[in-house]
Order: sequence, then C-alpha cells, then structure tokens
Amino acid sequence: QLVVTQSPSASASLGASVKLTCTLSSGHSSYAVAWHQQQPEKGPRYLMILYSDGRHYKGDGIPDRFSGSSSGTERYLSISRLQSEDEADYYCQTWGTDFWVFGGGTKLTVL
Amino acid sequence: QVHLVESGGGVVQPGRSLSLSCTASGFTFSRFGMHWVRQTPGKGLEWVAVIWYDGSKKYYADSVKGRFIISRDNSKNTVYLQMDSLRAEDTAVYYCARGDGYNTDYWGQGTLVTVSS
Repeated sequence: QLVVTQSPSASASLGASVKLTCTLSSGHSSYAVAWHQQQPEKGPRYLMILYSDGRHYKGDGIPDRFSGSSSGTERYLSISRLQSEDEADYYCQTWGTDFWVFGGGTKLTVL
Repeated sequence: QVHLVESGGGVVQPGRSLSLSCTASGFTFSRFGMHWVRQTPGKGLEWVAVIWYDGSKKYYADSVKGRFIISRDNSKNTVYLQMDSLRAEDTAVYYCARGDGYNTDYWGQGTLVTVSS
C-alpha cells in the first residue's frame, strides 16, 4: 500500500533555509512526487514534480529559492532565503495507476 | 494563463445530491485530465476523482466510489462532479485541478460544500 508521510510541522528563521521531508512507504522508492504549497486561506499552488533520481521541474513562476532532491523513499523540498510569504502548508502527493494520494502536510512557520 | 473556477457549492442535507462545476480557461482543455480534490476545514487534502482528457477513464477514491460521478464537456471547457447520497463527512472545500500526465499542476480556488441537516 502506497502511503505518504510528512512531519506535521517545521520552523525556520527569516532568511534561513529549511528542508521538508516526504517519506514514501517501503517498496516505492521509484515513485515521483509533486509538491504543493497552500498559503493561509488560499487554494493550493503547484510547486514542482520531483523524480526519484532528483530531477525536478518547477511550475510557472516558482522562484529559484525552491528546489527538490531525493534519496531512497525520501523526497525533499528545500527552501532557501526564507520569506514571510513562505509560511504555509506544504503537501507532498504521489500516484499509482488508478489513484492519487497526499501526505498529511507540513505546516511551515517562519520565525 | 491557466484559470480554473469552481462553482455549485452550498449547504445540502444528508442523503441529498449536489453537482459541482469547474470551468477552465487559458489552455486547451481537451488535452488534459482533470481532478477533484477536497479539503475538510482545518485538515489536509484528499484526492476524490480524476477523468482522462477524453473522458475514456475515470477513477475514484474509495470514500466516494458509487456515490460520486465525474464527467466533462470539452465543448464547454468544464468538468463536473455529481455528488449523491451525501454524508456529513463529505463536508469540505472542493478543488478542481488540472492533470498533466499523472501530475496535477494548476488548481482552482475551491467551492465549499456543507452537508448538514
């Protein structure tokens, strides 16, 4: 069964960097994921697709401060030079042949 | 510029039906799959359903299978979600999202569905 796990919360200081983790269940190390950002009171926004080999392709208008990387069943979203508007929920999503599944999301607080 | 606008949300009694629409612009609608995703207030995202670009395939989450039907009209650039036998646990903001391959790369702003007596 494909399960996506994310830490419920993370925090980092303004101007610093943070790395958020998305863990796929055992046996799914080849799966790609998508990362989405949801700012307070807004709809989600697509950030990027991230493959198991670390290749990632960002959505329209996503700043260079956002990047992705992979290791085994872990998929990472890195944000550098944190800004106040980066305070948001971040969701990891993956898919099978006939279903899609989201992680529970990570709430990022910018201190 | 891709734009997705959901409509049709509202308050409905348990057991009743409701139909949502999502109208797209800014891209060739008939070339892309479309998803519905929902979010219970204060909670995370839950995938609901997807329809292939030509309507040939449709898949549903187990939680809505047999109660919800996704459809599309490519001549109107619109995807629909017919929701029957609604339950309190279906209360959520419903988003439509564009599918690029298996990815979902654009989202609407959502429409709120409240199931309550």
